[in-house]
Amino acid sequence: IVLTQSPASLAVSLGERATINCKSSQSVLSSYGYGNSLTWYRQKPGQPPKVLIYWASLRESGVPDRFSGSGSGTDFTLTISSLQPADVGIYYCQQNSTVEWTFGQGTKVEV
Amino acid sequence: QILLLQSGSEVRKPGASVKVSCRVSGHALSGLSLHWVRQSPRKGFEWMGVIGPHTAETVYAQKFQGRVALTEDTSAETAYMELINLTSEDTAVYYCTTIDGIGYWGQGTHVVVS
Repeated sequence: IVLTQSPASLAVSLGERATINCKSSQSVLSSYGYGNSLTWYRQKPGQPPKVLIYWASLRESGVPDRFSGSGSGTDFTLTISSLQPADVGIYYCQQNSTVEWTFGQGTKVEV
Repeated sequence: QILLLQSGSEVRKPGASVKVSCRVSGHALSGLSLHWVRQSPRKGFEWMGVIGPHTAETVYAQKFQGRVALTEDTSAETAYMELINLTSEDTAVYYCTTIDGIGYWGQGTHVVVS
């Protein structure tokens, strides 16, 4: 499964909305019927990826509610409703609907 | 809360091998599917393979077939990734990672082949 993210980079003013898209080459709906096996991460330099959203729309504990995930099947979106300085980094989508996980190429978010 | 603690940075010469460890706490290793992923500036994230759960069955990415071996020592709650015949293309940060509802990642192990 190939995941294609857009845009590759994004510059957003503080307090403004940031939207990142992730398109899958095939459906990432879980074969177990749990939903869409799509995770969003943010990564900062020298750190492992941090889970923001899992099952496409569930917010990880401790993640601010300005982060939201939506979409189903092959098209997904991560939205940051009001960009804060701590939100800069590279954002990745990842699917685990198959044994072989795949990742998007990343979207760099800057202020 | 699952914690994954990886071994430290490694430097190897071309043709050598490297073995990275990943110690699991907060959950029995035997009950997890433990994936290994690497990240490099040129290639981004690459999934390498998975081991487990329960039977220590392994599935490897075709790209790494024959060069990678995933093993685990459940008595030590530690998983291992060994990569042989290293080239400069294998210079990357290697992660162990698993999903138990949400995703958990090790801190990464930087492997330099030079």
